[in-house]
Amino acid sequence: KAGVTQTPRYLIKTRGQQVTLSCSPISGHRSVSWYQQTPGQGLQFLFEYFSETQRNKGNFPGRFSGRQFSNSRSEMNVSTLELGDSALYLCASSLASGAGANVLTFGAGSRLTVL
Amino acid sequence: AQKVTQAQTEISVVEKEDVTLDCVYETRDTTYYLFWYKQPPSGELVFLIRRNSFDEQNEISGRYSWNFQKSTSSFNFTITASQVVDSAVYFCALSEERTGANNLFFGTGTRLTVIP
Repeated sequence: KAGVTQTPRYLIKTRGQQVTLSCSPISGHRSVSWYQQTPGQGLQFLFEYFSETQRNKGNFPGRFSGRQFSNSRSEMNVSTLELGDSALYLCASSLASGAGANVLTFGAGSRLTVL
Repeated sequence: AQKVTQAQTEISVVEKEDVTLDCVYETRDTTYYLFWYKQPPSGELVFLIRRNSFDEQNEISGRYSWNFQKSTSSFNFTITASQVVDSAVYFCALSEERTGANNLFFGTGTRLTVIP
């Protein structure tokens, strides 16, 4: 059974540009969550999508956005990149959303460097 | 507000030693979930265990064991007879029914180095 796949694994952008990251969840998983990991702030929740709808959102500016497609694949976009956006972006999928504990399965991440 | 504290930033042990990673949490919810994840150098977070707030039973899985104590808001993780392959960063995390099951609040992690 294939795991969570994130592309690209590494990318370099310059300030002011925008970036799109992709995440393919485990087959059958309908919820996709995104996290940002930085040395200074640690792991922080960005947002969660379920059935093509954003279910939950963390405390990030509007430059961070996402979407989910009918096949549960998800993309996140960061516009007007800043140096502080350099991070490892992790995608996680789970069977369901809402109440009750879900086990999140994480991908290997997309490492973004902003110059 | 919710918070997870992992006071140990880095720990080094010699192979075959036992090691305990500490985790203290804060939450106002009565229904919450606690997790441990392992992050090897490859970057992928690997799920180790999940516990809900109504189940204080300790758990053992091979060389791993977890001690959940609501009275002290702690969820500690012990590796017995450590091995070099255990070297990684370990994260404790909390999710609450109120803020969403998939919105995990992570601690800052403990980097474990097992020396051969």
